[in-house]
Amino acid sequence: DGGITQSPKYLFRKEGQNVTLSCEQNLNHDAMYWYRQDPGQGLRLIYYSQIVNDFQKGDIAEGYSVSREKKESFPLTVTSAQKNPTAFYLCASRIGRSSYNEQFFGPGTRLTVL
Amino acid sequence: GENVEQHPSTLSVQEGDSAVIKCTYSDSASNYFPWYKQELGKRPQLIIDIRSNVGEKKDQRIAVTLNKTAKHFSLHITETQPEDSAVYFCAASGGSYIPTFGRGTSLIVHP
Repeated sequence: DGGITQSPKYLFRKEGQNVTLSCEQNLNHDAMYWYRQDPGQGLRLIYYSQIVNDFQKGDIAEGYSVSREKKESFPLTVTSAQKNPTAFYLCASRIGRSSYNEQFFGPGTRLTVL
Repeated sequence: GENVEQHPSTLSVQEGDSAVIKCTYSDSASNYFPWYKQELGKRPQLIIDIRSNVGEKKDQRIAVTLNKTAKHFSLHITETQPEDSAVYFCAASGGSYIPTFGRGTSLIVHP
């Protein structure tokens, strides 16, 4: 299951803290995505990036921030402004802008607020 | 933007039965419809997909059908096995290049 990795696998955050989730891919994919998964909610898009140094807000961007300084890396910061951050976070990548291309997912990070 | 509805949210079948999961979409510009399987605690993985110029696609025990006029597509699993138990997600993409996912169906196959 190489190709796209996320770390850490489990993360615990105290209230008021910012935490950063790592996502790295060696697939040479242009596009990268962050999703939040809650039970019964499916996959909800937080942020996406189609190219280096550019990213766009998804449906639930409030309380999150991202950067895309390198093609292979797309870290997500969960800020203290995110009121209910406990969830499973999935990073994904895709080869290009074509809608026909498959998304590849990382193994996920489970974030828990203490 | 695109809106994808997926039903049912939970599906319980006996081993050997067929299972059908249905999705509807709203954006007529959508042209790619993948299905992902997510086992407990693992990442979603693509199991089958269909493009808008095709009405049906099969891969062994799984098949997907697409009705562009009605804007709905379905996943069919025949001869279900316990290892088919997982959450299945449909998605649609096209106009905005960003896939929109359904809420998922938890399939339980009883031995």
